[in-house]
Amino acid sequence: AQTVTQSQPEMSVQEAETVTLSCTYDTSESDYYLFWYKQPPSRQMILVIRQEAYKQQNATENRFSVNFQKAAKSFSLKISDSQLGDAAMYFCAYSNYQLIWGAGTKLIIKP
Amino acid sequence: EAGVVQSPRYKIIEKKQPVAFWCNPISGHNTLYWYRQNLGQGPELLIRYENEEAVDDSQLPKDRFSAERLKGVDSTLKIQPAELGDSAVYLCASSYRYNSPLHFGNGTRLTVT
Repeated sequence: AQTVTQSQPEMSVQEAETVTLSCTYDTSESDYYLFWYKQPPSRQMILVIRQEAYKQQNATENRFSVNFQKAAKSFSLKISDSQLGDAAMYFCAYSNYQLIWGAGTKLIIKP
Repeated sequence: EAGVVQSPRYKIIEKKQPVAFWCNPISGHNTLYWYRQNLGQGPELLIRYENEEAVDDSQLPKDRFSAERLKGVDSTLKIQPAELGDSAVYLCASSYRYNSPLHFGNGTRLTVT
């Protein structure tokens, strides 16, 4: 069965610094999708970034980028120039006809 | 485009009472999800619809939970009777098709007393 593991329950970073959130997954499939979602205190889950497994190039969205290591089944999220508005829960998710969620990492931004 | 709309935003009820949540997905999105999220945890899928058909309801507690998506657009999730353990945030999401990114509503925070 597929699983998604986020080993960091909580992370903190100084404003303007860079932080990396970890995510590992387990699957026997070769074709799948990976996502990072952000959930601020307002509760609305927002898509941050998406990666297709068949693409070797790491996805980027402005200050957000991923390090996708398919062989290692690792999918970390890097946030550059952290801003106060980045404070939220971050969830990693795997999708291949079934969406599997990690337990989340709480990101704290220190001003 | 308008996002996923959920109502109500908050609901407080006594145990054994019924409660219903409503969701209007993004226009054109065929796939609709209902999730339950407990504090500090990730979302837990309750049911997934492809158009009007429930294609995955394996995690839905069918003795007290029911859902419908008439005409493949709006959806309603009902709990009857509610129990204390049902206190959680109920999230609705939609996607263009399966494996497309999900778009979420603001969720309904349910408190059962």
